[in-house]
Amino acid sequence: GENVEQHPSTLSVQEGDSAVIKCTYSDSASNYFPWYKQELGKRPQLIIDIRSNVGEKKDQRIAVTLNKTAKHFSLHITETQPEDSAVYFCAASIGSGYSGGGADGLTFGKGTHLIIQP
Amino acid sequence: KAGVTQTPRYLIKTRGQQVTLSCSPISGHRSVSWYQQTPGQGLQFLFEYFSETQRNKGNFPGRFSGRQFSNSRSEMNVSTLELGDSALYLCASRLMPDKNTEAFFGQGTRLTVV
Repeated sequence: GENVEQHPSTLSVQEGDSAVIKCTYSDSASNYFPWYKQELGKRPQLIIDIRSNVGEKKDQRIAVTLNKTAKHFSLHITETQPEDSAVYFCAASIGSGYSGGGADGLTFGKGTHLIIQP
Repeated sequence: KAGVTQTPRYLIKTRGQQVTLSCSPISGHRSVSWYQQTPGQGLQFLFEYFSETQRNKGNFPGRFSGRQFSNSRSEMNVSTLELGDSALYLCASRLMPDKNTEAFFGQGTRLTVV
């Protein structure tokens, strides 16, 4: 099955600086890569996702890049703010569609604890 | 629109007991997935249900089971509880089982096995 590695496990950056979190996946059939943010005591929430037919996607201060050949994808947060402090999870899955038969659930990385230093 | 609702929020059980957790998906969502979250292992996929059928299962022992009802609500059952089953159990709903759509998570059920 799919295996997702995420690095680093903890990342501390100064407020205003950029943060980069990297993930690698093992199954070349994976075609959907969401990123979730989980604040302390709260549920994971999707912040951005990318599909395998796209190399980069941006949403304000957040961007995700995908390198299918190397099987890795990264989350980039620019101009970090205190409210960015949270645990971030990357995930990968094979989306076969309802009519396409079985599909795996989301395989998550182990998470990155992002700390924004004031 | 109400979000994904999980009950109960907290549960304390004794080793050897069994437990049932409930998940009500967002109205109109027909797919429900379950995940186990622990500090050491992160989020691990348990299983997914769609139209009352289990579509896929993660690498967990048979003590972990689930079902889905005709109204898309889902339950997860863990029998013969072990200390290592202590975790946050999250369910996520999506409109359809196509993985390329957003999964919305519930607040989770915190299970403690003593």
